[in-house]
Amino acid sequence: EDQVTQSPEALRLQEGESSSLNCSYTVSGLRGLFWYRQDPGKGPEFLFTLYSAGEEKEKERLKATLTKKESFLHITAPKPEDSATYLCAVQVTGGSYIPTFGRGTSLIVHP
Amino acid sequence: GAGVSQSPSNKVTEKGKDVELRCDPISGHTALYWYRQSLGQGLEFLIYFQGNSAPDKSGLPSDRFSAERTGGSVSTLTIQRTQQEDSAVYLCASSLAIGAGANVLTFGAGSRLTVL
Repeated sequence: EDQVTQSPEALRLQEGESSSLNCSYTVSGLRGLFWYRQDPGKGPEFLFTLYSAGEEKEKERLKATLTKKESFLHITAPKPEDSATYLCAVQVTGGSYIPTFGRGTSLIVHP
Repeated sequence: GAGVSQSPSNKVTEKGKDVELRCDPISGHTALYWYRQSLGQGLEFLIYFQGNSAPDKSGLPSDRFSAERTGGSVSTLTIQRTQQEDSAVYLCASSLAIGAGANVLTFGAGSRLTVL
């Protein structure tokens, strides 16, 4: 069974304090790994897709990396507006195109 | 439209009543997904439509849940005889036609259902 586990469940940072969120996955074959951001009362918003181990993507203060077993979302010098829930999802090869989501990491950045 | 539109945004109902939730996907997106998000939980897959193919209903939690997609566009999720455990945010998403690569989902804002 495909599994996606995110840690920590919640993270509190001071503005400017860099950190990383983890997404570990167990799948038969990876088609793609996604990161989404979800603000309260809104649907998830796409951030990145990663396809193969060693790949990295960057957007402003966010950088996503991928290995064969996990992905990290690195947040450099975060600002309060980075506060949100960050969701990881995987799409597997060999049939279903339905992404499986982790439970997310709730990030709060204090000014 | 510019994005995925869901209605109602908020629905309060009494236990035992039926509810209908509507999703209007992005024009040209052939794939449509319904997920459920309960407090503190991740997104739970419910049902998936792709073009004219038979829908994947493998995530529907009981036979009280059903969904249809008319004309390859608008979708309606129906919950019959609602129970308190059905209280959640129901999220709809759409994506472009399935290809060789992974496909990005665009989500609506969700319909928050509260069953009293």
